[in-house]
Amino acid sequence: EPEVTQTPSHQVTQMGQEVILRCVPISNHLYFYWYRQILGQKVEFLVSFYNNEISEKSEIFDDQFSVERPDGSNFTLKIRSTKLEDSAMYFCASRKQELYNSPLHFGNGTRLTVT
Amino acid sequence: AQSVTQPDIHITVSEGASLELRCNYSYGATPYLFWYVQSPGQGLQLLLKYFSGDTLVQGIKGFEAEFKRSQSSFNLRKPSVHWSDAAEYFCAVGPIPGAGSYQLTFGKGTKLSVIP
Repeated sequence: EPEVTQTPSHQVTQMGQEVILRCVPISNHLYFYWYRQILGQKVEFLVSFYNNEISEKSEIFDDQFSVERPDGSNFTLKIRSTKLEDSAMYFCASRKQELYNSPLHFGNGTRLTVT
Repeated sequence: AQSVTQPDIHITVSEGASLELRCNYSYGATPYLFWYVQSPGQGLQLLLKYFSGDTLVQGIKGFEAEFKRSQSSFNLRKPSVHWSDAAEYFCAVGPIPGAGSYQLTFGKGTKLSVIP
């Protein structure tokens, strides 16, 4: 069964550095998402992306964050200048259709540790 | 705003015992409800979903959930737990039809431990 794949599985970075988290959504999916989960807290929506543009974003997704689909397969989340509070598990997800009964398929996540 | 509450942070059951994980939601309309499971080192896997119709929905791995509108609940059940069910379980609500929002709102999760 096709999967959403995320790399790396664990990323350690120093505060102030830029990080790029990578995702390969399922190939025939059209809608892409990033969620994050700070340790011990809820899984939170960050951003949704369709047709090469952001369709929705949360308050968390400030100017430090950006998303891009640089080619036909990758979907990336960039954090420009990481802060300690950006430490979290970041999940990429994709959906085939933007129908309400079309389920999200999640990747295994990238654990980001900011020191 | 929609919200999801999972009152139990951690539950421990014996293998073979029955299981019920609680989920309560707050939502202004007919909700779309989901249960996801996260095994250690894995992503979020969809167990089951409810959109409409029969309030008892069947999912993968022998799980079922019942939607009770009067109680704003969508509890997850399994009659006999296996050791491989040890994982974290997340209830989620969304998206919001007609509001142009396709995000899911998750609960904090319930960690399930299984005693052999």
